Amino acid sequence: KAGVTQTPRYLIKTRGQQVTLSCSPISGHRSVSWYQQTPGQGLQFLFEYFSETQRNKGNFPGRFSGRQFSNSRSEMNVSTLELGDSALYLCASSLDSHGGEKLFFGSGTQLSVL
Amino acid sequence: QQQVKQSPQSLIVQKGGISIINCAYENTAFDYFPWYQQFPGKGPALLIAIRPDVSEKKEGRFTISFNKSAKQFSLHIMDSQPGDSATYFCAASSDTGRRALTFGSGTRLQVQP
Repeated sequence: KAGVTQTPRYLIKTRGQQVTLSCSPISGHRSVSWYQQTPGQGLQFLFEYFSETQRNKGNFPGRFSGRQFSNSRSEMNVSTLELGDSALYLCASSLDSHGGEKLFFGSGTQLSVL
Repeated sequence: QQQVKQSPQSLIVQKGGISIINCAYENTAFDYFPWYQQFPGKGPALLIAIRPDVSEKKEGRFTISFNKSAKQFSLHIMDSQPGDSATYFCAASSDTGRRALTFGSGTRLQVQP
């Protein structure tokens, strides 16, 4: 079974631009969560989507948004990029049933904002 | 109240030794406590998890000890191997956000041969 796939692997943007990151969950997984990982703040929860609806949201500004498609694939968008948005963005998928708390992470998208 | 505090920040252990990483939490609503292992260039991978109805859970060389009254839990890696060298994160969540994990700051473990 293929794991969680995130594209692109690396991304370089400049301040003020916007960016879209993509995540394909494990087949059969309907929940997709996004996390931001930085050396200073560690791993922080961004949001979770299930059945195309945002189910939970972390403490991030509105510049961070996401969506989920009917095939469970998800995208996250960051608008008006700031230098502090440079981070590894991780997507995780999970079942929405017994054992659904187990998150399967992708390898992430490394975003650099210049 | 959402924090999970993890220590130590880094740890060096000799091959065959025991690695111990500690975490403490404040939010009493937390009821799920996983440990994740992350290698460079990879996303975190679930290692072992515990719920507060048990005080200990063991899977192979990995054991979680849980102290509900102290709001602390720890990971013990027995017979540590160089392949265990990675960053370890404790985490916690509640039933209102099962996948909204609150992570500790991470422990970089180095197992010397």
